[in-house]
Amino acid sequence: GDSVTQMEGPVTLSEEAFLTINCTYTATGYPSLFWYVQYPGEGLQLLLKATKADDKGSNKGFEATYRKETTSFHLEKGSVQVSDSAVYFCALSVYNFNKFYFGSGTKLNVKP
Amino acid sequence: NAGVTQTPKFQVLKTGQSMTLQCAQDMNHEYMSWYRQDPGMGLRLIHYSVGAGITDQGEVPNGYNVSRSTTEDFPLRLLSAAPSQTSVYFCASRILQGAEEQFFGPGTRLTVL
Repeated sequence: GDSVTQMEGPVTLSEEAFLTINCTYTATGYPSLFWYVQYPGEGLQLLLKATKADDKGSNKGFEATYRKETTSFHLEKGSVQVSDSAVYFCALSVYNFNKFYFGSGTKLNVKP
Repeated sequence: NAGVTQTPKFQVLKTGQSMTLQCAQDMNHEYMSWYRQDPGMGLRLIHYSVGAGITDQGEVPNGYNVSRSTTEDFPLRLLSAAPSQTSVYFCASRILQGAEEQFFGPGTRLTVL
């Protein structure tokens, strides 16, 4: 079945460090892929998305490329800030299907 | 647009009490869903709806009822609360066609004593 696997956290980095959070997926159809961010005490917000292979989603300095050959959608940021501390969720939605699949979430802690 | 709204923000119940978590959206989305979020377990789908009058079970439906009488509203009912239902509950919505993102409400933090 369809599923998303992302690296376990927590991930602890110093400010200005490079960030990678790995996400891989399995899907039977043509998925769109998403990264959501959840700040403490808040709901999930869409961070970026990609709807087809080789698309790159980007927002607020974060990037992720839809790699069909490796079934991956890794999240990257060149220089993290303390304000990036949050939980990040990888997710997929298969075209015209009624289910939305989330990874288990990766907590990022950025130290000053 | 207010997006997805949820009430209440916090709630404390005693075991056996009933309550309804409210969810509304003003984006005319056909698809609405309820998730619970527990520490270390990510988001788990409780129930979802693809339109008024149509609901279906998700991954963890036991102990919860839903109905969808209008496009805008999708309430979640706990008929007899149990401590295992202590969690943070999120409502979400999206358009039905395609593979678009979901929009989430701010959540309801529920504690069952």
